[in-house]
Amino acid sequence: EAGVTQSPTHLIKTRGQQATLRCSPISGHTSVYWYQQALGLGLQFLLWYDEGEERNRGNFPPRFSGRQFPNYSSELNVNALELEDSALYLCASSRGGLLNNEQFFGPGTRLTVL
Amino acid sequence: EDQVTQSPEALRLQEGESSSLNCSYTVSGLRGLFWYRQDPGKGPEFLFTLYSAGEEKEKERLKATLTKKESFLHITAPKPEDSATYLCAVRSFRNTGKLIFGQGTTLQVKP
Repeated sequence: EAGVTQSPTHLIKTRGQQATLRCSPISGHTSVYWYQQALGLGLQFLLWYDEGEERNRGNFPPRFSGRQFPNYSSELNVNALELEDSALYLCASSRGGLLNNEQFFGPGTRLTVL
Repeated sequence: EDQVTQSPEALRLQEGESSSLNCSYTVSGLRGLFWYRQDPGKGPEFLFTLYSAGEEKEKERLKATLTKKESFLHITAPKPEDSATYLCAVRSFRNTGKLIFGQGTTLQVKP
């Protein structure tokens, strides 16, 4: 069974630009989660999508947004990039409903903002 | 506020030297406690879920246990390939989808 996939692997942008990161969940999973892992800060929850709807977001500014498509894949958009947005962005997926406990992570997208 | 604290931050062991990693947590209604392994530059790899105090799970050289306030990850006779950062996370019954992670313990096992 294929795991969570993310693209691109690496992304280099300059301040003020926009970045788009993509995630495909494990087959059969309907929930997608996004986390940011910045150096020294640990994993911080960004967003949760389930059945196409945004269910919850973490303490991040509105320039972090995303969506989930009908095939359950997801996109994270970061507008007006700042230097401190440089981090590893991790996507995870889980089954929906009451079975949605374990989250399985993808390999991440390394975003560098210059 | 829900919180997870892991100790020690770093641990160096000789091959075969058993030890334990600690995860202390505060959560309003524990839905699950999770252990992950993360290699440098990669995504976390799921290891275990624990749901209630007294529960234990095992996988190869790893054994996870849970009490009402903390969890331990016991590593028996570790090998160099067990070197990684081990992350502990909790999820509350408020079902926000959010996993709250500790800062991790970086384990180095020397041959």
